[in-house]
Amino acid sequence: QVQLVQSGAEVKKPGASMKVSCKASGYTFSDYYIHWIRQTPGQGLEWMGWINPHTGGTDYAQKFQGRVTMTGDTPLSTAYMELSRLTSDDSAVYFCARDFKAYQLFFSLDYWGQGTLVTVSS
Amino acid sequence: DIQMTQSPSSLSVSVGDRVTITCRASQGIRTYLNWYQQKPGKAPKLLIYDASSLQSGVPSRFSGSGSGTDFTLSINSLQPDDFATYYCQQTYIGARTFGGGTRVEIK
Repeated sequence: QVQLVQSGAEVKKPGASMKVSCKASGYTFSDYYIHWIRQTPGQGLEWMGWINPHTGGTDYAQKFQGRVTMTGDTPLSTAYMELSRLTSDDSAVYFCARDFKAYQLFFSLDYWGQGTLVTVSS
Repeated sequence: DIQMTQSPSSLSVSVGDRVTITCRASQGIRTYLNWYQQKPGKAPKLLIYDASSLQSGVPSRFSGSGSGTDFTLSINSLQPDDFATYYCQQTYIGARTFGGGTRVEIK
């Protein structure tokens, strides 16, 4: 069965960087786009961007451009999302999610990771 | 970015009730709209895509409609498992924004 398993909770200092991993199983990792979404009590759900694991191509929401980097390791079937220059506003649960059509970008997300809580605090 | 506004923000209903949730986009998005269900501590679950297409495995009591700027999620005969928060998401352009959510609670 399809699964996305994310790395564990993190606590970071303001100004630091974070990197969350998302290991896929149960399907061919390179065939489906992976998206990253975060959730905060204040801002709700925010789409951050996507990566095409096959080509390495990415697209990021303008809000995060310059601070976010999404990568993929096809042999490990794992996607990564790195966010730099953290502030307290980046405290959130971060999710990875799979686009539901192979080889296509639909932004309809059928499988999600369990979420990774990142707390930014001095 | 396109703003997505859901209403109501919460509602109290009983098992067996019919529920209607609305989502309005700040500009036309054709039918590029998804609906998700989220339970506490869990990831969202895709219910409806393309405004009215039922995702595989989702019960037929869920339905979606609308196009342009106004959309509706309906749940016929609400079941105990349906108490959750529901989100719309536009997939048309730019940052694929979500609505603020509608919490469906037990009356």
